[in-house]
Order: sequence, then structure tokens, then C-alpha cells
Amino acid sequence: GAVVSQHPSWVICKSGTSVKIECRSLDFQATTMFWYRQFPKQSLMLMATSNEGSKATYEQGVEKDKFLINHASLTLSTLTVTSAHPEDSSFYICSARVGRGVDEKLFFGSGTQLSVL
Amino acid sequence: QKEVEQDPGPLSVPEGAIVSLNCTYSNSAFQYFMWYRQYSRKGPELLMYTYSSGNKEDGRFTAQVDKSSKYISLFIRDSQPSDSATYLCAMRAAGNKLTFGGGTRVLVKP
Repeated sequence: GAVVSQHPSWVICKSGTSVKIECRSLDFQATTMFWYRQFPKQSLMLMATSNEGSKATYEQGVEKDKFLINHASLTLSTLTVTSAHPEDSSFYICSARVGRGVDEKLFFGSGTQLSVL
Repeated sequence: QKEVEQDPGPLSVPEGAIVSLNCTYSNSAFQYFMWYRQYSRKGPELLMYTYSSGNKEDGRFTAQVDKSSKYISLFIRDSQPSDSATYLCAMRAAGNKLTFGGGTRVLVKP
């Protein structure tokens, strides 16, 4: 399958600081990437859809000014958690869409555990 | 009612047994069905992908889809301790985003 690289895998930051998470498609070009959040023992919650060269589309209830998404190239999307607070502590996972229609599949990065102190 | 229902488990089986997982859904527009495996603190890994009713086999894994009953299953034969993980079903309608089940935690005991 396609390889999606996510970095860092673990980050600890102080409250009020910003954290950037990178998501790269290593062996393919991804015009569309997705960012998810996952709380312990829960399923994935879609935060936003990242489209190369255009603004991200955020799901209802997700603050776009707090979770800044940039998809400046066909292989890189970044999520920046601005002015992080302890309640932002979570597991963040990116994914990239490969193929279209019947052949469309979603491949995931390895995730980033964010802990805000 | 959630669009996709999945028993959270945990489902505990002895090594070598068959693991049986399933999801039910309510949206008849769902056409594409996936099973992902997720180890703790890792991203989900795509195991199986189907888009029609019937069975699909890949190694020790068999995925079944019954659109008339809105029911999908994943079977893992000859289960190994390394199969211990959370299994997520996911599905989508044409052109739409994926909807995930809540995940079933599986424990395979040696």
C-alpha cells in the first residue's frame, strides 16, 4: 500500500505554545489529505479535509483558527495546533486518499500523540 | 443511532482460533467497505477493501459484505498473538468521506 509518513510521533509542549505536525505522502502525490483526532478507546473523529493549493474544509465544531492546516504541495500537509491547551491533548492522525471512485482508498500515517502541560 | 455500529469488545480468543468481527450500518448509500487494524498508539492499517456483496479473501483474512442486511464481517483464521489490536470497520458512499465504526479490541492469548 501507499506510505504516509507523519512526524513527530510524540510531542510534549507547554500550554500556550503552538505545535506543528507534518504529514507526507512518500511514494505518491496526494491532492487530498485528512486530519483525524482520536481519544483513548474511541474511534477516529474527522477534523478537516486538506486540499492541495486551497483552503481546508473543517468539520462542524472544529475551530479553524486553532487547528491551522496547510497543504502547500502534493506531498505535504501540516496541522498546527495554535495556543495549545491541555484539552488539546490527543492522538492526531493524518491520512491520504489514493485513487478515485471504486479504487479510492485511504492510507494513514502513524499518528502523533500530543501532550499539553 | 450511530450510522455504523461496532461492538467495542474486548474479544478474547485463544491462539489459533477464528476471530469473528462485524459491523452493522444504517445508510443504504454506503457502497465501499474497509477493515483497518490499529495497534496502540499507531495509525490504522488497511487490511481489506470491498465494494460489492459477497466474500473476499486475502491470506488469513476474509471480508464479507451483505448489503441487503447492512452487515459486514471480518474473519481472521489461525489467529496469532500479533493479531491483538483494535479493528475498525469503515465505509462510505460514492464521493463521500469515510465513516468509521467505534472499533473492536481483540486479544489473542498464547
